[in-house]
Amino acid sequence: EPEVTQTPSHQVTQMGQEVILRCVPISNHLYFYWYRQILGQKVEFLVSFYNNEISEKSEIFDDQFSVERPDGSNFTLKIRSTKLEDSAMYFCASSEGIRTDTQYFGPGTRLTVL
Amino acid sequence: AQSVTQPDIHITVSEGASLELRCNYSYGATPYLFWYVQSPGQGLQLLLKYFSGDTLVQGIKGFEAEFKRSQSSFNLRKPSVHWSDAAEYFCAVGSIFGSGTRLLVRP
Repeated sequence: EPEVTQTPSHQVTQMGQEVILRCVPISNHLYFYWYRQILGQKVEFLVSFYNNEISEKSEIFDDQFSVERPDGSNFTLKIRSTKLEDSAMYFCASSEGIRTDTQYFGPGTRLTVL
Repeated sequence: AQSVTQPDIHITVSEGASLELRCNYSYGATPYLFWYVQSPGQGLQLLLKYFSGDTLVQGIKGFEAEFKRSQSSFNLRKPSVHWSDAAEYFCAVGSIFGSGTRLLVRP
């Protein structure tokens, strides 16, 4: 069964450094998402992406964040200058369509900012 | 604005007992409702979803949920809980998630 994959599984970085989290969505899916989950808290929507542009973003997704689909398979989340409060689990998801379609989640990348 | 409320932070049930996890939502139009399960250290797995039609939705692992528009609720149920059901359960309206309910299963 096709699945969403994410790399790395765990990323440790120093405050102020840039990080790029990578995701490979399911191949025939057209919509891509990033979520984050701070330890012990709920899952929070960050951004959705379709047709090479952001279709929706939350208040969390400020200028420090960006997303890109650099090639036909990868979908990346970049944090330009990490802060301590960026430490969280970041989940990528993809779906065939939007809203009504099931989003398939990857296993997540745990980001630790020191 | 859309919002999702899961009023129970923790629920403990005995193995074999029935389960109901509560979810209330606020949404202006027809909601697209989901229940996900997250086991420790794992990603999110979809249990079931509701978009339209029959208000009683069947999902995987023996779970079901009932959409009640009059109560703005979408409660998750299972008639007999197994120890492997111990996990965190999230209700969602579209991309908006509730705060989760942690299910503990007593042997």
